[in-house]
Amino acid sequence: DAMVIQNPRYQVTQFGKPVTLSCSQTLNHNVMYWYQQKSSQAPKLLFHYYDKDFNNEADTPDNFQSRRPNTSFCFLDIRSPGLGDAAMYLCATSTERGAGKETQYFGPGTRLLVL
Amino acid sequence: GQQLNQSPQSMFIQEGEDVSMNCTSSSIFNTWLWYKQEPGEGPVLLIALYKAGELTSNGRLTAQFGITRKDSFLNISASIPSDVGIYFCAGRGNNRKLIWGLGTSLAVNP
Repeated sequence: DAMVIQNPRYQVTQFGKPVTLSCSQTLNHNVMYWYQQKSSQAPKLLFHYYDKDFNNEADTPDNFQSRRPNTSFCFLDIRSPGLGDAAMYLCATSTERGAGKETQYFGPGTRLLVL
Repeated sequence: GQQLNQSPQSMFIQEGEDVSMNCTSSSIFNTWLWYKQEPGEGPVLLIALYKAGELTSNGRLTAQFGITRKDSFLNISASIPSDVGIYFCAGRGNNRKLIWGLGTSLAVNP
C-alpha cells in the first residue's frame, strides 16, 4: 500500500544533542511537509518542500532544518534540541490538484523526548 | 497564526448516538479536510471536500463544504467505541498552508 513512513516512531535525545528524524513516502507526491504537534494542540507547520524548493515558515526556529535528497525522502534535523522541542513530529505529503485543491496525507509521527 | 473555530471542543456520548461537529472561518477556502487522530498516531484523512455545497460520505461519516466556503460540518451516525479520538478540520485557501481547527475530542460510552 502506498504510504508515508516515519522512523523511528519514538526518539529519545539529550538536551543539546543533534537529532535527525526521517520520513519516506511511496505516494510519489511532489510536496512534503514537516509539522510539530504538542499535546492537545493542532499540528503546526514548520516547513515544506515543493519538489526541491524549500519553504520555511516565518516562526520556525533556526534550530530546525530540513533536507530532501530525493522525491521519496525528507529529513528533519534539530541541531540543538531543547526541552521545549519535545513533541510529536509529523511528516505529510500532497500533490497539487490545481486551483488550491489539495489533500495532505500524514505519517504515523515520531514522538521526540528530550532529556 | 490563523485558526479555525471548531466546535464543540469535546463530546461525551453514548454508543449508537449521532455526532455533529463543525468548523467556521473568516476566510474563504478551496479545500476542507477532516482528519481523525488517535493517541500516539498521525492524523488520518477521513473526508476531503473541494467544492462549495459538496456533500460527501465515507461509511457512517458525512461532511459538507459550506455554500459560503467559510464553513464545514462533519456528522458521524450510530457512533461506536472505535470512533473515539480527536477530530480535526483543516482548510486551505490559495497557498499550500493548511489552517487547522483546535480539534473535537470524542468519547463514546459503550
